[in-house]
Order: sequence, then structure tokens, then C-alpha cells
Amino acid sequence: GAVVSQHPSRVICKSGTSVKIECRSLDFQATTMFWYRQFPKQSLMLMATSNEGSKATYEQGVEKDKFLINHASLTLSTLTVTSAHPEDSSFYICSASSPENTEAFFGQGTRLTVV
Amino acid sequence: AQSVTQLGSHVSVSEGALVLLRCNYSSSVPPYLFWYVQYPNQGLQLLLKYTSAATLVKGINGFEAEFKKSETSFHLTKPSAHMSDAAEYFCAVSRKAAGNKLTFGGGTRVLVKP
Repeated sequence: GAVVSQHPSRVICKSGTSVKIECRSLDFQATTMFWYRQFPKQSLMLMATSNEGSKATYEQGVEKDKFLINHASLTLSTLTVTSAHPEDSSFYICSASSPENTEAFFGQGTRLTVV
Repeated sequence: AQSVTQLGSHVSVSEGALVLLRCNYSSSVPPYLFWYVQYPNQGLQLLLKYTSAATLVKGINGFEAEFKKSETSFHLTKPSAHMSDAAEYFCAVSRKAAGNKLTFGGGTRVLVKP
């Protein structure tokens, strides 16, 4: 299957700072990327959908000014958590897709801890 | 709107016994259905998928699932559990027209007893 690389795998940051997470499709052009959030022992909740070259579509209840998503190229999307607080601590997972695929491919996830 | 219900948040099986994880879905259009496995602090690994071809789908690691439209179900089975099958399992549904955006079930944690 296609390979999606997510970086970093773990990050610890101080309250009030911003942190950027990258999601790269290594061997295909991802016209669409998805960002999910997973709390401990819970399922994945979709945060936003990003299409290359256009603004992301956020799910209800997700603050777009806090979770900035950029999808400037067909192989890279970034999620920036701005002014992070401890309640933003979570596992963030991206997935990437293209029209010729019948599935989306997942990154390895990023464990964010805000202290 | 689509939704997925996984019956049982925890399942405990003995090594060598049948593994059965239940998944029911709701979709207004023919769905694509998926089963993923997640190990601690890792991403998701695709076990198998149904995309409107054969209703009995075989996946990796000896898992299979059967799509039953009349029951709106997509249960996952494995004839003989291994210790390495202990993990979290997620059923998910998508629509091709939605660009493969997934809606996940709540997950089922599998414990395998020796």
C-alpha cells in the first residue's frame, strides 16, 4: 500500500506555544488529507478535511483558529496547534487519499503532550 | 449521514479460540467498509476492506469479514486467536464520493488469554 509519513511521532511542548505536525504522502499525490484526533481509550474523531490548494473543511466543534491546517502541495499537509493548552494533549493521526484509491492511508500518529 | 456501532468495547478470548468482533453500520448510500487494527501508540493498520465486490473479504493475519446488507453488518472473525492479536480494532465506513473520509466505530479492545 501507499506510504504516509507523519512527523514528529512524539512532541512535548509548553502551554502557550505552538506545535506543527507534518503529514507526507511519500509515493503518491494526495489530493485530500484528513486529520483525526484520538483521546486515550477512545475512537478517532475527524477534525478536518483538507484538499490541496484550498481551505480546510472543519468538523463541527473544531476551532479552525486553534488548529491551523495547510495543504499547500500534493504531498504535504500540516496541522499547527496554536497556543497549546494541556487539554490539547492527544494523539493526532493523519490520512491521505487520492481519487484513484478506494481507501485512505494513515500516518503513524503524533502523541502531543502539553505541559 | 453515516454511523458505525461496534458491539462490545472489550472482548476476551483464549489463545486458539474464535475471535468475533461485531460491527453494524448505517449509510444512506452503498458503503465502503473497513477494519483497522491499532497497537499502543501507533497508527492504524488496515486489516481488510469491502468496496462492493465480493461480500466475503479476506484480510491479513488470518482475519476475514462478511458484508451482509440485509443485516447492515460487517463482522470480523478469525478462527484461531494468537497472542499477537491483542490490540484495539476499529470498524469504519466511508463513501467513495466523500473522498474516503472515514467514520469510525467506538473500537473494541481484544485481550487474548494464554
